[in-house]
Amino acid sequence: DIVMTQSPDSLAVSLGERATINCKSSQSVLYSSDNKNSLAWYQQKPGQPPKLLIYWASTRESGVPDRFSGSGSGTDFTLTISSLQAEDVAVYYCQQYYSTPYTFGQGTKLEIK
Amino acid sequence: QVQLVQSGAEVKKPGASVMVSCKPSGYTFTGYYIHWVRQAPGQGLEWMGWINPDSGGTDYAQKFQGRVTMTRDTSISTAYMELNSLTSDDTAVYYCARNSDYGYGDYWGQGTLVTVSS
Repeated sequence: DIVMTQSPDSLAVSLGERATINCKSSQSVLYSSDNKNSLAWYQQKPGQPPKLLIYWASTRESGVPDRFSGSGSGTDFTLTISSLQAEDVAVYYCQQYYSTPYTFGQGTKLEIK
Repeated sequence: QVQLVQSGAEVKKPGASVMVSCKPSGYTFTGYYIHWVRQAPGQGLEWMGWINPDSGGTDYAQKFQGRVTMTRDTSISTAYMELNSLTSDDTAVYYCARNSDYGYGDYWGQGTLVTVSS
């Protein structure tokens, strides 16, 4: 199984500042045939299901604010929130969909400083 | 609009079985796989497996092999996840999610809390 490891486990950022969450996979999730990374990011607020933010490592889901961006390739990935808003307080998860079982990172809790 | 509506909360005794249903709407049921993902209290997300509603084919995480069964009823456009031999470690919120065609879940159900307690 591919192990997904996020860092940090928790993060406190001031409103309007940048937040960066990292995700590392135990093996590459890059499909060389089409140069796409099978990596998604989700946001989960208390009492709600996960919400898809980013897929293919850097493609923003429709309706997701452009302050959210994803980057990285191979085994190392980053989710960046360029200017933190109060409504961004949540737990963020990365997930690989390169091979089953489709494993998630342990989550990163994002709070306001 | 796409929605996935799950069945209500369940309380089960250790050793029992539970079946959770997931009824999508807003798209063709047989056109997209359905994932099942669970989340223990205060914990992260755990992928359990998926079902192809068209063929009925399944792919289960090895951890759940032999204990989970995912089925569907195309006549009522509903997917099911049954988990047997429940223990307290199975206490969790169980989610269904529509697969995007590539492996990530683009629409999620509201979740079903399953509590296992004697």
